[in-house]
Amino acid sequence: SQTIHQWPATLVQPVGSPLSLECTVEGTSNPNLYWYRQAAGRGLQLLFYSVGIGQISSEVPQNLSASRPQDRQFILSSKKLLLSDSGFYLCAWSPQDSRYTFGSGTRLTVV
Amino acid sequence: RKEVEQDPGPFNVPEGATVAFNCTYSNSASQSFFWYRQDCRKEPKLLMSVYSSGNEDGRFTAQLNRASQYISLLIRDSKLSDSATYLCVVIFVLCNNNDMRFGAGTRLTVKP
Repeated sequence: SQTIHQWPATLVQPVGSPLSLECTVEGTSNPNLYWYRQAAGRGLQLLFYSVGIGQISSEVPQNLSASRPQDRQFILSSKKLLLSDSGFYLCAWSPQDSRYTFGSGTRLTVV
Repeated sequence: RKEVEQDPGPFNVPEGATVAFNCTYSNSASQSFFWYRQDCRKEPKLLMSVYSSGNEDGRFTAQLNRASQYISLLIRDSKLSDSATYLCVVIFVLCNNNDMRFGAGTRLTVKP
């Protein structure tokens, strides 16, 4: 069966520090991969999606970047965090039938 | 206008009550519809898909009205464990990728 792993679960980082969140999927090949952010009291906002290795599309201009170095690995990064980057970050994957499965999420607090 | 809109609630209902949520979407090209459930500080999990003919899963019934561009979720005989935020999800296809849009969620609290 397919599983998705996301870590760390929680993170407290100072403003200006770098960020690296990792997401891996097992049990499938060539998945579509996504990074979402959920701010308090708001819906999920799509940040990046990837349909293959090295293929990254960005939905909104921001302080973040994403990379897909391997088929089942998706990384969310930042060189310098801002206070506004705080939120709940969710990785997700989908096969071709549109059903999305989410990782357990990373709660990021920038202080 | 937001692409997917939901009443944020909160809905506070007693155990055993029937509660219904609606969700409207703006893109008439939307093709797939889902309800996700999200517990506090957890990731969203698929609750059920929503089909044009309507579908039922135990105490949960989902319906789609394409003409009016809304979907609904009905929960009968509410349980304490139903307390969560329910996210409406709409997917429309753009080129070779599915574009998934979430509502902001409706918060439900079931009380004893």
